[in-house]
Amino acid sequence: AQSVTQLGSHVSVSEGALVLLRCNYSSSVPPYLFWYVQYPNQGLQLLLKYTTGATLVKGINGFEAEFKKSETSFHLTKPSAHMSDAAEYFCAVSEGGATNKLIFGTGTLLAVQP
Amino acid sequence: GAVVSQHPSRVICKSGTSVKIECRSLDFQATTMFWYRQFPKKSLMLMATSNEGSKATYEQGVEKDKFLINHASLTLSTLTVTSAHPEDSSFYICSAQTGEGQPQHFGDGTRLSIL
Repeated sequence: AQSVTQLGSHVSVSEGALVLLRCNYSSSVPPYLFWYVQYPNQGLQLLLKYTTGATLVKGINGFEAEFKKSETSFHLTKPSAHMSDAAEYFCAVSEGGATNKLIFGTGTLLAVQP
Repeated sequence: GAVVSQHPSRVICKSGTSVKIECRSLDFQATTMFWYRQFPKKSLMLMATSNEGSKATYEQGVEKDKFLINHASLTLSTLTVTSAHPEDSSFYICSAQTGEGQPQHFGDGTRLSIL
């Protein structure tokens, strides 16, 4: 069975500081990995995804994530936080293929302090 | 591209009513749509997977007679919460997939409040 663990339900950074949101996964098959962002009372927006190929994935809004198989991790980073980055972030894993069900982590609420 | 529209965004109704939520893919055909439920300050829980023209596949613990899903076309799936009660109050989110192995694109969700 697949699972996702997001360490830290709340992360607070200063504007301009590095953002690091942690995600570890468990999967018996090569995983597809995703990061989604959710603003209040809205659905989820895809930030980036890893399926195959290059392990460093660049996404929208300056975010990137690196797939590290040996560490079963897919941490999300951004060099310099902006106030507009404040939101809930979800890491998700799927087996890909026909089912493509997503298993979500519990989310990390990012606060950005001025 | 890949816009998913969900309607209504918010609904408040009395206990015992049935509520229908629509999920439309506006600029693509969605072979598969998913319905999620999100509790306050919690993650998304997959309720069911819906494939056009066939019966939905429900996750364990989700009552299929309570949450009726219809996926009549490649651009529309509906979720009907039948005889809703206060414990059904939640944030319901749909997503649509353009094809196998492709990312899911999410609607903006529906806030359902049952009085």
